[in-house]
Amino acid sequence: QVQLVQSGAEVRKPGASVKVSCKASGYTFTNYALHWVRQASGQRLEWMGCINAGNANTKYSQKLQARLTITRDTSASTAYMELSSLRSEDTAVYFCARTGGDYVAFDIWGQGTMVTVSS
Amino acid sequence: QSVLTQPPSASGTPGQRVTITCSGSSSNLGSNYVYWYQQLPGTAPNLLIYRNNQRPSGVPDRFSGSKSGASASLAISGLRSEDEANYYCATWDDSLSGPVFGGGTKLTVL
Repeated sequence: QVQLVQSGAEVRKPGASVKVSCKASGYTFTNYALHWVRQASGQRLEWMGCINAGNANTKYSQKLQARLTITRDTSASTAYMELSSLRSEDTAVYFCARTGGDYVAFDIWGQGTMVTVSS
Repeated sequence: QSVLTQPPSASGTPGQRVTITCSGSSSNLGSNYVYWYQQLPGTAPNLLIYRNNQRPSGVPDRFSGSKSGASASLAISGLRSEDEANYYCATWDDSLSGPVFGGGTKLTVL
């Protein structure tokens, strides 16, 4: 079945970086975009950025573009999200989600990865 | 502060019809489609409505969406206990050049 499976929970100190993976299966990886959306505890969803898995074009939110890098490995059908210079306010659950050409229709989601930033 | 505004809570009894609203501006909802997501506690969101009023396969027709200008609404008819969840609206924002989400509405089935 179509699914996205993310890597496990991470704990980092302020100022460090974190890299989360999202492995796709059950569909043609390069036909879709993969997005990263995060959610702090009890808070709204926040779109972070995305990658076109076919041509590797990326798009980042204005808020995070200086600290965020999204990449993909087509041989592994996996996308990666790396966030640098972590702060306590980056503590959140990070989701990857798939779209086709409609970049707001997230039809498949990963299970989420908890990232905790604490000294 | 969310770009899209939703009421923080809504409630209804089983069998009732409940409506959740979402308001935005000319740079987002006023010129783009609305999408709705359901999020059960501890799980990832699930797409309920796309492009204002379209339901993905598997979503019951008890869920319906509409949009007028820079406002949108999600209606749930025949309310069931399993509908108790957080509901988020979303749209594309032309100024931010990316998707934006509402603050979410927690639906309680009494």
